Amino acid sequence: DAGVIQSPRHEVTEMGQEVTLRCKPISGHDYLFWYRQTMMRGLELLIYFNNNVPIDDSGMPEDRFSAKMPNASFSTLKIQPSEPRDSAVYFCASSRGQGNPEQYFGPGTRLTVT
Amino acid sequence: AQSVTQLGSHVSVSEGALVLLRCNYSSSVPPYLFWYVQYPNQGLQLLLKYTTGATLVKGINGFEAEFKKSETSFHLTKPSAHMSDAAEYFCAVRPVNTGGFKTIFGAGTRLFVKA
Repeated sequence: DAGVIQSPRHEVTEMGQEVTLRCKPISGHDYLFWYRQTMMRGLELLIYFNNNVPIDDSGMPEDRFSAKMPNASFSTLKIQPSEPRDSAVYFCASSRGQGNPEQYFGPGTRLTVT
Repeated sequence: AQSVTQLGSHVSVSEGALVLLRCNYSSSVPPYLFWYVQYPNQGLQLLLKYTTGATLVKGINGFEAEFKKSETSFHLTKPSAHMSDAAEYFCAVRPVNTGGFKTIFGAGTRLFVKA
């Protein structure tokens, strides 16, 4: 099993630019989660999907952030325009479902906005 | 609302000593409980989980945790620390029947292992 795949692993961009983070969940997993991790705020859930449908996006910081899941094997998190305070490590995780509540995390994307 | 409290943001032990990382949760009903480990520049990895049944749960790398309903605790232990155990550890809870599939993570405890 390849695990959760995220790309890119590192992204450096200038303030105001659009950033797109990508995630491929584990095949057969019905849930997909996007998290942000910073020293100050720890691990924050941004949004999660079930069967490609967004279920809870209450953690999305503001309208600059958007996430999509066009099919069961791909999701994107977009920031437009990016700001320095968006600098963080962004994780994608997937989970099989009710009987298997644990999540499997990708390696993360380290975003630096200058 | 559910919450998770990890006591101690940093814990330091000597190699070979007992590891004890504390976790308390608040919930009206016993939730699902997890411990995850994060090594530098990596994602979180599941160490162990409690869903139902036996309250003493064994995980990978020699770790175990005991669910104590009366104390609303799920402390993580390992009898003998190894240098490779140095990492950050996260306790997490997820409601069983309410709150959807959202998992609440603690703030994390960084474990240092001294030679």
